[in-house]
Amino acid sequence: EDKVVQSPLSLVVHEGDTVTLNCSYEVTNFRSLLWYKQEKKAPTFLFMLTSSGIEKKSGRLSSILDKKELFSILNITATQTGDSAIYLCAVEPLIQGAQKLVFGQGTRLTINP
Amino acid sequence: DAGITQSPRYKITETGRQVTLMCHQTWSHSYMFWYRQDLGHGLRLIYYSAAADITDKGEVPDGYVVSRSKTENFPLTLESATRSQTSVYFCASNRGAGGPSEQFFGPGTRLTVL
Repeated sequence: EDKVVQSPLSLVVHEGDTVTLNCSYEVTNFRSLLWYKQEKKAPTFLFMLTSSGIEKKSGRLSSILDKKELFSILNITATQTGDSAIYLCAVEPLIQGAQKLVFGQGTRLTINP
Repeated sequence: DAGITQSPRYKITETGRQVTLMCHQTWSHSYMFWYRQDLGHGLRLIYYSAAADITDKGEVPDGYVVSRSKTENFPLTLESATRSQTSVYFCASNRGAGGPSEQFFGPGTRLTVL
């Protein structure tokens, strides 16, 4: 069974800190890994990674994938209160005729001023 | 407006009643999905559809029924609601095979079953 595990489940830091969120996975055939941010509404897309070692970056957020060790990390530097959210990791198994995503439990990140 | 919408946004019902949650997208995306989100479980796939009249079960399909007579609509029905179906339900869509993996989510429906 395909599985995605995120850690930590909850994290509280002070504004300005750097955080690292973890995502490990077990899938039969891997196609891609996606990160989403969820505030008090629908998840919104952050990054998609398909190749090992390539860093995706958007402002203070960056992510990298290790396909050999089956994990990804999401880094947020100089955190701000607006970064408070649930961060979801999802993996897309390579299944013909399907575009399904398998989600982890999410990491609830709280940034205190 | 273009995008993906869900209705109702909030619903309170009683055990045993039938409830239908609506999902509508204007992108002509092939794939549509229904998820439920509960504390400690992240998003779990209930059903998905690859095209009109093609649906398939996800991880937690029991107690739910879907249909897709038109590409743009993907309603989810709880035939006889139970308290364990109290949850937040998200609909999502994706362009389809060969396209990006990214799914676009609707705003969610918060369902409470008393």
